[in-house]
Amino acid sequence: DVKVTQSSRYLVKRTGEKVFLECVQDMDHENMFWYRQDPGLGLRLIYFSYDVKMKEKGDIPEGYSVSREKKERFSLILESASTNQTSMYLCASSLREISGNTIYFGEGSWLTVV
Amino acid sequence: DQQVKQNSPSLSVQEGRISILNCDYTNSMFDYFLWYKKYPAEGPTFLISISSIKDKNEDGRFTVFLNKSAKHLSLHIVPSQPGDSAVYFCAASAHQDNNNDMRFGAGTRLTVKP
Repeated sequence: DVKVTQSSRYLVKRTGEKVFLECVQDMDHENMFWYRQDPGLGLRLIYFSYDVKMKEKGDIPEGYSVSREKKERFSLILESASTNQTSMYLCASSLREISGNTIYFGEGSWLTVV
Repeated sequence: DQQVKQNSPSLSVQEGRISILNCDYTNSMFDYFLWYKKYPAEGPTFLISISSIKDKNEDGRFTVFLNKSAKHLSLHIVPSQPGDSAVYFCAASAHQDNNNDMRFGAGTRLTVKP
């Protein structure tokens, strides 16, 4: 079974704080993703990585950065948290070839910025 | 620009009846379509998929239909069970190198009443 683990399930941070969300997958997947889920907006792609040290912007990268130093680990960084970044964050991974395969999600990290 | 649209935010059906969830897409390059199911406070889990070379895929109580000319797909659940109550996301991807084109709809909340 594929396991995507997000280390923090629930976080409360103050405006302006730097926030790290960590994600680890155990299936040697090339691709890793960060999405955020908001009511009425579905899952929106923040950043994507198809290899170590590689990253690509998704639909809503502003205010976020990512780090992929090891294949199994993909970190999402909020340099200076703002209240509009309060959301559920979902990490996912997949084989390099997405078409014909699925992406596997972690359980999500609920972030509240006050 | 939402490339995958689920126009019904919610759907309520009686236990034992059919649930039909709809999804439309705009990008003609999409060639692989998936449905994910999400319970509260959990990550989405893969439910069923269909390739663009097919028009129907069935897995137990779940059937996905694809109408390429209309750029429309639907998920049928027969018979519906209370445990099917969840948010269902439609997703689509395109075949290309290093692709990050896994796009999700906004989701439809299904409630199955006993």
